[in-house]
Amino acid sequence: QKEVEQDPGPLSVPEGAIVSLNCTYSNSAFQYFMWYRQYSRKGPELLMYTYSSGNKEDGRFTAQVDKSSKYISLFIRDSQPSDSATYLCAMLKGAQKLVFGQGTRLTINP
Amino acid sequence: DADVTQTPRNRITKTGKRIMLECSQTKGHDRMYWYRQDPGLGLRLIYYSFDVKDINKGEISDGYSVSRQAQAKFSLSLESAIPNQTALYFCATSDPGTREYGYTFGSGTRLTVV
Repeated sequence: QKEVEQDPGPLSVPEGAIVSLNCTYSNSAFQYFMWYRQYSRKGPELLMYTYSSGNKEDGRFTAQVDKSSKYISLFIRDSQPSDSATYLCAMLKGAQKLVFGQGTRLTINP
Repeated sequence: DADVTQTPRNRITKTGKRIMLECSQTKGHDRMYWYRQDPGLGLRLIYYSFDVKDINKGEISDGYSVSRQAQAKFSLSLESAIPNQTALYFCATSDPGTREYGYTFGSGTRLTVV
């Protein structure tokens, strides 16, 4: 079983829709939770970072962590075609190395 | 200039050939990583280095080797390339002194082994 599971999609939604992306994890030692966005032919870029359970909002993006259920989510409100990308969840145990989910390919249709 | 530069951007090589992918960074980070990305499998760690004298295997190191020539340079070698090593390869650096651990990725090398 992979430490981090993410539905690879693909996911296609109309412009303006609310998008929900999710990951589950098995190792309760994970402390830091991140979402990376990766455009085609580019490296991943950090989008959101959370440490504790709860919600963190940044503009149209909300990251949610539920440590009791080992479940994290990324919500995108008022989705735009420019949000079309692959979204990867990633997690850290202490000051070690990132463990990534499989990535979800998202397309926002105008 | 990019903070993390990977060369080449694209490479086609034949089975059995030795190939080196290079990574250089201007971030001043001690920690460097090599990841491989395959469709549906996400990013998987091949090797990582926390300083110039430190080299560690990741989850999929078989068939690969690395060299940390300097703080700024970290190379990945495929000793004898095989077709299932066809993938997108990313180099990354990180700084544990920042809250988000400051991971910065290069733009990737697309490697095709025929």
